[in-house]
Amino acid sequence: EAQVTQNPRYLITVTGKKLTVTCSQNMNHEYMSWYRQDPGLGLRQIYYSMNVEVTDKGDVPEGYKVSRKEKRNFPLILESPSPNQTSLYFCASSLIGTQETQYFGPGTRLLVL
Amino acid sequence: AQSVTQLDSHVSVSEGTPVLLRCNYSSSYSPSLFWYVQHPNKGLQLLLKYTSAATLVKGINGFEAEFKKSETSFHLTKPSAHMSDAAEYFCVVRFNTNAGKSTFGDGTTLTVKP
Repeated sequence: EAQVTQNPRYLITVTGKKLTVTCSQNMNHEYMSWYRQDPGLGLRQIYYSMNVEVTDKGDVPEGYKVSRKEKRNFPLILESPSPNQTSLYFCASSLIGTQETQYFGPGTRLLVL
Repeated sequence: AQSVTQLDSHVSVSEGTPVLLRCNYSSSYSPSLFWYVQHPNKGLQLLLKYTSAATLVKGINGFEAEFKKSETSFHLTKPSAHMSDAAEYFCVVRFNTNAGKSTFGDGTTLTVKP
């Protein structure tokens, strides 16, 4: 089954404790992206990747890191999480091209205390 | 800078009546436009997209949208609402000038009353 998977689905952590949210897709997509969703703000793009070893900032990259060492994986790293990073996070992937449909993972709900 | 505005944060309709969710974008470039739906506690699913072919786009579950360049709009409509349409809807814009960027509207919550 074609899908985007994220782990963990739920995470409670404390301020300053490094964490990684994994994202994996099995559709051989070049493009992958991370978003955060906050009430009333829609989804805001954190980082995206056009291919392996090619990443770029979205609209809200502060406090986040990403890497793209393999085509299928695009982990999101919070080196020192803070309470304002409490949010619902979505990973998405697609073929290259602005007309392509993005396929979204199920989301990761993060609470930073 | 590219931006997209969903003109209503909440829309409430009765079952069987038409649905209109409004979306405007700002840019001087030709966009690709998408509508996604998010049911409660679920991920996002594509409803339909405009990619410079036909200006009237038909999507899943009876939804359609019309691209109007002169009005920079891409409003989503459905002739007859169903209870299962209750969800949050997002309008998304992308441009060839920055292929990696995706800009989402703030979302419209659709409530369907019996």
